[in-house]
Amino acid sequence: GAVVSQHPSRVICKSGTSVKIECRSLDFQATTMFWYRQFPKQSLMLMATSNEGSKATYEQGVEKDKFLINHASLTLSTLTVTSAHPEDSSFYICSVSGLAKNIQYFGAGTRLSVL
Amino acid sequence: AQTVTQSQPEMSVQEAETVTLSCTYDTSESDYYLFWYKQPPSRQMILVIRQEAYKQQNATENRFSVNFQKAAKSFSLKISDSQLGDAAMYFCAYRTADFGNEKLTFGTGTRLTIIP
Repeated sequence: GAVVSQHPSRVICKSGTSVKIECRSLDFQATTMFWYRQFPKQSLMLMATSNEGSKATYEQGVEKDKFLINHASLTLSTLTVTSAHPEDSSFYICSVSGLAKNIQYFGAGTRLSVL
Repeated sequence: AQTVTQSQPEMSVQEAETVTLSCTYDTSESDYYLFWYKQPPSRQMILVIRQEAYKQQNATENRFSVNFQKAAKSFSLKISDSQLGDAAMYFCAYRTADFGNEKLTFGTGTRLTIIP
């Protein structure tokens, strides 16, 4: 399967600051990446679909100005949480569509804690 | 919209025994994909098994197998010879077969505990 690297694994920041999370596809070119959010003991909720070279597609209820997604190359997508607040504290996970397009491979996730 | 339901928030099984995790889904589509993902304490999501809806044969991956009942919209996961490393959250997921729509819809998960 695909190797997906997500960085950082853990970040603690002050309220009002912005945090950038990177998702890299290490062994193949990914035209599509996905960003999920997972609250404690809950399921994964899709936030947005990141398309290389075009604007991300956000799910209903997700603020695009708060969660900025940039998919500048076929191997890198970034999620920036702007002006983070404590309610943004969560576990953020990215995934990429594999060579077999019906499978998604996941990064190890980023735990964001906003103080 | 499609929905995925996992009615067992928690399950436990004795080591070396067999356990079945249930999953039902709701869709009006005839062609789609179903998945079971495992999330261990490390939080890394790992694909366990997948099933194409157009295939009648149940998917099998070593100790993991599914019971896919398309008419009943049921997709259960059977883990045979349970091992301590199988302890994790298990998520059932649905994906349409429509080209260009690769979104996954996840169930709420089942926490599996292995009793030594």
